Amino acid sequence: QLQLQESGPGLVKPSETLSLTCTVSGGSISIRNYYWGWIRQPPGKGLEWIANIYYIGNTYYNPFLKSRVTISVDTSKNQFSLRLSSVTAADTAVYFCARTGQGLSTQYDYWGQGTLLTVSS
Amino acid sequence: QSVLTQPPSVSGAPGQRVIISCTGSSSNIGADYNVHWYKQLPGTAPKLLIYDSIIRPSGVSDRFSGSKSGTSASLAITGLQAEDEADYYCQSYDTRLSGSIFGGGTKLTVL
Repeated sequence: QLQLQESGPGLVKPSETLSLTCTVSGGSISIRNYYWGWIRQPPGKGLEWIANIYYIGNTYYNPFLKSRVTISVDTSKNQFSLRLSSVTAADTAVYFCARTGQGLSTQYDYWGQGTLLTVSS
Repeated sequence: QSVLTQPPSVSGAPGQRVIISCTGSSSNIGADYNVHWYKQLPGTAPKLLIYDSIIRPSGVSDRFSGSKSGTSASLAITGLQAEDEADYYCQSYDTRLSGSIFGGGTKLTVL
């Protein structure tokens, strides 16, 4: 059974850069036809797509976040990561990693449990 | 404000049928992009309920069904049960935003 697990610092100061990692187990991240993505959910609010990546490095970014976001993949560790720079309180959210298909119109079928990231001084 | 509009809340009594709508535009659902639906219980990750507008993943009850027409999509839940009480989200793709988009979510209350 495919499983995804997010890890991160939990607390980040304003203006700093947050880094999150998603570890995939029960399957290979280097599988053809699947992308891996990050979605976030501010407390009490809805879901927001952040970015997707393919195992060979092809990426898609939310245009509203693109200037601050970098998504990367490490196939040797079966992990992919997210970096978000210049964070503000508005970036406080639960961050989910998930698997999706090719393109941006496909569904997210496997999700991690989510990790809460709080931006506060 | 979300590009895909969902009612903030719906409710129904046990055994009843409820419908949750997801209204988009010509740049997303109306452009014939598929719609996917998720169920989210408090403090948990979303769970895929319907994909490609009408298809149920293995293990999802046939009490859940999806449809799409024009610039809107709907999720129908029949035989409402207490365990259906959750937040429901639709998802699609928008050509103007060039990205994946989610609806604002609908809270289903089972009376």
